[in-house]
Amino acid sequence: GNSVTQMEGPVTLSEEAFLTINCTYTATGYPSLFWYVQYPGEGLQLLLKATKADDKGSNKGFEATYRKETTSFHLEKGSVQVSDSAVYFCALWGDSSYKLIFGSGTRLLVRP
Amino acid sequence: GAGVSQTPSNKVTEKGKYVELRCDPISGHTALYWYRQSLGQGPEFLIYFQGTGAADDSGLPNDRFFAVRPEGSVSTLKIQRTERGDSAVYLCASSMDPGRANEQFFGPGTRLTVL
Repeated sequence: GNSVTQMEGPVTLSEEAFLTINCTYTATGYPSLFWYVQYPGEGLQLLLKATKADDKGSNKGFEATYRKETTSFHLEKGSVQVSDSAVYFCALWGDSSYKLIFGSGTRLLVRP
Repeated sequence: GAGVSQTPSNKVTEKGKYVELRCDPISGHTALYWYRQSLGQGPEFLIYFQGTGAADDSGLPNDRFFAVRPEGSVSTLKIQRTERGDSAVYLCASSMDPGRANEQFFGPGTRLTVL
């Protein structure tokens, strides 16, 4: 079945460092891919998405490219801020289903 | 505008008791989803409603779990004979329609603790 694998956290970075959070997936067909973020004390929010191969999703300085050849959707940001500290979830939506399948989440801690 | 709301925010109950968790989706959203998030894990799908009907309940773990959406808006997740393993955060989400690119908006969740 469909699944998502994320790098384990926590990831600890200094402010202005470069961020990569790896995400790979297993799915039949052509899934849509998402990154959700959960800030402390808040609910899940959609950060960015890509619905077909080679699409790049971007928002708030974060980017991720849908790579079908490597079945990956890695999240990147060039310069993180303390306010980016949160838990990040990679997710997919299979083309034969209406449910989101999430990875286990990666906690990011950015220090001043 | 108002987002997805869930009540209660916290529920503590004893093993064997019955609980109801409520979700109020964004007005006009036809699709509604329930997920369960255990500590340190990502959300896991439970059930999906399109309108009043459960279109996919494949994620419900067993027959102690049941959900309804009688008027196509508010939904209630019902858990009978609760067990300690049911302790988790129960998340509700809604979307405009179930199209694959449509964003699911999540509520803040109900933290259920079974003692």
